[in-house]
Amino acid sequence: DAGVIQSPRHEVTEMGQEVTLRCKPISGHNSLFWYRQTMMRGLELLIYFNNNVPIDDSGMPEDRFSAKMPNASFSTLKIQPSEPRDSAVYFCASSRDRVSNQPQHFGDGTRLSIL
Amino acid sequence: SQQGEEDPQALSIQEGENATMNCSYKTSINNLQWYRQNSGRGLVHLILIRSNEREKHSGRLRVTLDTSKKSSSLLITASRAADTASYFCATDPLMNYGGSQGNLIFGKGTKLSVKP
Repeated sequence: DAGVIQSPRHEVTEMGQEVTLRCKPISGHNSLFWYRQTMMRGLELLIYFNNNVPIDDSGMPEDRFSAKMPNASFSTLKIQPSEPRDSAVYFCASSRDRVSNQPQHFGDGTRLSIL
Repeated sequence: SQQGEEDPQALSIQEGENATMNCSYKTSINNLQWYRQNSGRGLVHLILIRSNEREKHSGRLRVTLDTSKKSSSLLITASRAADTASYFCATDPLMNYGGSQGNLIFGKGTKLSVKP
């Protein structure tokens, strides 16, 4: 079975540009999570969806960040405008549902560099 | 907010030795999970231990949970060079109503290096 698929794997862009990260969760998984990983702050949850509905977006840093899940097989995380401090590895993960005792399955991430 | 804190931050051992990593957390939990992350890759789920369990095994992995001390340990026996990775604990916090928050809170990880 295919795992969680993220694209692009690497993105380098100049500050002020719009960045869109994409994620395809595992088929049949109802929960989807977006994380950001940096050396300083570790792995931070940005937002998570259950059945395509945002449940908790309290981790989204500011209004420049937005996330959507138009259907069960696709989600995007958008940064507009991007800033150098947004440089990080962004992970998408999915789980079968948000009921307890479910492991999360991670994609290999998007390494984002904002110059 | 940080829930799990791993200890040590880094660990270097020789192949064949055992590696022990610890995790402490702050609030009551439904379960605790351990993940591995190889360089440049996403996290991979290793093992889940429920709050009413004290010990769990999976291959060369042994996980213990002490809810009274709010701590867990991950033991990798007979380590191999391929075990070199970062290891994270993640907790599923117990809500006031007894249910799950719906998401996991990760620690900052232990970086394990196994030398051949």
